[in-house]
Amino acid sequence: AAGVIQSPRHLIKEKRETATLKCYPIPRHDTVYWYQQGPGQDPQFLISFYEKMQSDKGSIPDRFSAQQFSDYHSELNMSSLELGDSALYFCASSSLHESQETQYFGPGTRLLVL
Amino acid sequence: AQSVTQLGSHVSVSEGALVLLRCNYSSSVPPYLFWYVQYPNQGLQLLLKYTTGATLVKGINGFEAEFKKSETSFHLTKPSAHMSDAAEYFCAVSHFPSNTGKLIFGQGTTLQVKP
Repeated sequence: AAGVIQSPRHLIKEKRETATLKCYPIPRHDTVYWYQQGPGQDPQFLISFYEKMQSDKGSIPDRFSAQQFSDYHSELNMSSLELGDSALYFCASSSLHESQETQYFGPGTRLLVL
Repeated sequence: AQSVTQLGSHVSVSEGALVLLRCNYSSSVPPYLFWYVQYPNQGLQLLLKYTTGATLVKGINGFEAEFKKSETSFHLTKPSAHMSDAAEYFCAVSHFPSNTGKLIFGQGTTLQVKP
């Protein structure tokens, strides 16, 4: 079965640079969630989208923005990167029509800011 | 506000022994509860979930968990540990559909399985 795809899997950036993370949800899934997992930490909710509209917002810095496109893929844009942004970023997807409460996670993008 | 507490950041068991990972939640409304497993350098895989109905839920790889409202608990168990069970386990809560379904995770428990 198709899973959530995230790209890139690994990313190295310098401080103050910009990064763009991409998420391709499971086909026919309409909701996307973004989470940030710092080293040795639990995943923290950043933001979510349903049918291309922002549905919820968590502890996402103002330097970050995200959107969901017409094909339901989502991108997380991170500007003015800081050392503390180094983390594993997960995308998860779910479907209104299929166990909507269940989120399926991608493999994550590991971001290292130097 | 909802929260999740996992008692014990590290649990070590012998192969073949009972696995018990503890999870307690705090919620003002009926929660949906989940257990996810994370293997090194991998994403989160759903083990099992409780939404409504039967309070004992069975998941993949022989794991099960019981929702106990009176104790606000959702402990994860497996009768016999296998070496391949060594991983990080996260308990999570959401209040779907009363909110947008975002997951609130516990701090995680690292399970070590000794031969």
